Amino acid sequence: DIQMTQSPSSLSASVGDRVTITCQASQDISNYLNWYQQKPGKAPKLLIYDASNLETGVPSRFSGSGSGTDFTFTISSLQPEDIATYYCQQYDNLPPLFGQGTKLEIK
Amino acid sequence: QLQLQESGPGLVKPSETLSLTCTVSGGSISSSSYYWGWIRQPPGKGLEWIGSIYYSGSTYYNPSLKSRVTISVDTSKNQFSLKLSSVTAADTAVYYCARHLAVAGPSDYWGQGTLVTVSS
Repeated sequence: DIQMTQSPSSLSASVGDRVTITCQASQDISNYLNWYQQKPGKAPKLLIYDASNLETGVPSRFSGSGSGTDFTFTISSLQPEDIATYYCQQYDNLPPLFGQGTKLEIK
Repeated sequence: QLQLQESGPGLVKPSETLSLTCTVSGGSISSSSYYWGWIRQPPGKGLEWIGSIYYSGSTYYNPSLKSRVTISVDTSKNQFSLKLSSVTAADTAVYYCARHLAVAGPSDYWGQGTLVTVSS
């Protein structure tokens, strides 16, 4: 299995801050990397697919970059409604493992 | 607007079979562009992909669960289903159905999720 190492596991930031989460794959996954947002009690929501493509309807403050083994997810200006847990997911190989998640809180 | 809705028992006894159905509305499960999958999340933990199915019936399973999982599709009812046999407390989780853009690719539509507890 391709392991995904996501960091940090938790993050506290202020409204308006730039927030960055990283995800590292145990082997080259090209750009087969997605990012999801999950709010408490809700299903995950797809934000970024194929490493850098913004899902339709997702605010432009969210972005993704990277290829191969190293990927970055960025919120350019943190908003109160962005409080959630964020997951990366590779889908280059089965099973499509998720990262451990990053819980984002407002400082 | 596409909608997915999980249904099934919320309580299953150990060693029995967990059965869930996902009903798709607002779109056809027979679309050649998509796969249909199951993902679960134990309380307070992360996400685990269980498997997916194409409308033709082709299935893809997580190797860690493959011996216990069966996913099937009923195109006449616009539904797909999950069966997980020989359940234990470790299978207690919120189970989500989702639409995949590839075999196990980006999941752009999700059901609300249903909690299944394994307990006697």
